[in-house]
Amino acid sequence: AQTVTQSQPEMSVQEAETVTLSCTYDTSESDYYLFWYKQPPSRQMILVIRQEAYKQQNATENRFSVNFQKAAKSFSLKISDSQLGDAAMYFCAYRSATGNTGKLIFGQGTTLQVKP
Amino acid sequence: DAGVTQSPTHLIKTRGQQVTLRCSPISGHKSVSWYQQVLGQGPQFIFQYYEKEERGRGNFPDRFSARQFPNYSSELNVNALLLGDSALYLCASSLVGGLYGYTFGSGTRLTVV
Repeated sequence: AQTVTQSQPEMSVQEAETVTLSCTYDTSESDYYLFWYKQPPSRQMILVIRQEAYKQQNATENRFSVNFQKAAKSFSLKISDSQLGDAAMYFCAYRSATGNTGKLIFGQGTTLQVKP
Repeated sequence: DAGVTQSPTHLIKTRGQQVTLRCSPISGHKSVSWYQQVLGQGPQFIFQYYEKEERGRGNFPDRFSARQFPNYSSELNVNALLLGDSALYLCASSLVGGLYGYTFGSGTRLTVV
């Protein structure tokens, strides 16, 4: 069974600085998708970034980028030029590329605090 | 366009009661999934429905059931509520089973007393 681990329960960053959130996962599959979701106090999970395992190029979305290390099964999220609105809980999630369930497996989450 | 809408937003029930949670997906999305998020933890997969058929079920007891209607909206039912069922219940919809990510609703906060 696949597992996702986020080892940093809480992180803090100064506004305008850069922060990296860690995520490791365990799987025997070679084809899968990885996601970072943001959950602000409003509770709605918002997709931040998506990575396809068979693509070696790291995904980027504006100030958000990932460092995807397939062999190490690591998928970290870098947030550049941090803004107050980035404060939220961040979840790393795994989705198998096979099967029909579309099930997402989430990590435990990292709470990010942004200091003005 | 409206996002994923869930109702009600908050709910308080007594142990042993039954509850029904509702979800309307984004227009055009045929896949709906349900997740349970206990406070301070990541969401746990409960069900996925696609084209009104159950495509996946997580490790939850038979007290949990769901269905999807012809308009792709969905209901999650929980019978014989336990205190441990208190959680945020999230609904997510997607076009093709989440290959490009899911769009989540804001959830229903269920409190069992």
